[in-house]
Amino acid sequence: SQTIHQWPATLVQPVGSPLSLECTVEGTSNPNLYWYRQAAGRGLQLLFYSVGIGQISSEVPQNLSASRPQDRQFILSSKKLLLSDSGFYLCAWRRTGLSPGNTIYFGEGSWLTVV
Amino acid sequence: DAKTTQPNSMESNEEEPVHLPCNHSTISGTDYIHWYRQLPSQGPEYVIHGLTSNVNNRMASLAIAEDRKSSTLILHRATLRDAAVYYCILSAGAGSYQLTFGKGTKLSVIP
Repeated sequence: SQTIHQWPATLVQPVGSPLSLECTVEGTSNPNLYWYRQAAGRGLQLLFYSVGIGQISSEVPQNLSASRPQDRQFILSSKKLLLSDSGFYLCAWRRTGLSPGNTIYFGEGSWLTVV
Repeated sequence: DAKTTQPNSMESNEEEPVHLPCNHSTISGTDYIHWYRQLPSQGPEYVIHGLTSNVNNRMASLAIAEDRKSSTLILHRATLRDAAVYYCILSAGAGSYQLTFGKGTKLSVIP
């Protein structure tokens, strides 16, 4: 079976510090990978998605970047965090292929508080 | 991507059926209709999806209008554990990898 893990689960970071959130998927190959963010009381905002190693598409211009160094690894980074980067970050995966019926599966989420 | 419209919030009494509506008037012929729900402090989880015909699974039923411009997620007997935000989203046709979530409907279940 397939599983998705992301870490850390919770972190508190000062403004201007770097960020690295990591996500890995097991039990599948060449998945589509996603990073979403949810600000307090808000809906889910798609930040980045990737259809293969080194292939990153950004949905929203911002202070964050993403990388996919390996097939099942997706990393969200920032060089200098802003207060507005606080939120609940979710990694997700979806089977490859162009079937629109494919379900998306989410990780447990990472709570980021920038102080 | 085609957009969906859902009520911001709904209430239901425990053990009663719940009908959560979703409008998607600009849906294209290849768009699937997906429903996810998000419990507090958790990532969204898949509930059900369909294309044209009504669908049933152990969690819920999905009723799709004949013109596909609206759909309804049906929880047959609401429990307290069903209190969550429910998202109706469209999965765009071949060539698109995005799944865009709106604000969803916050369902409260009253004991």
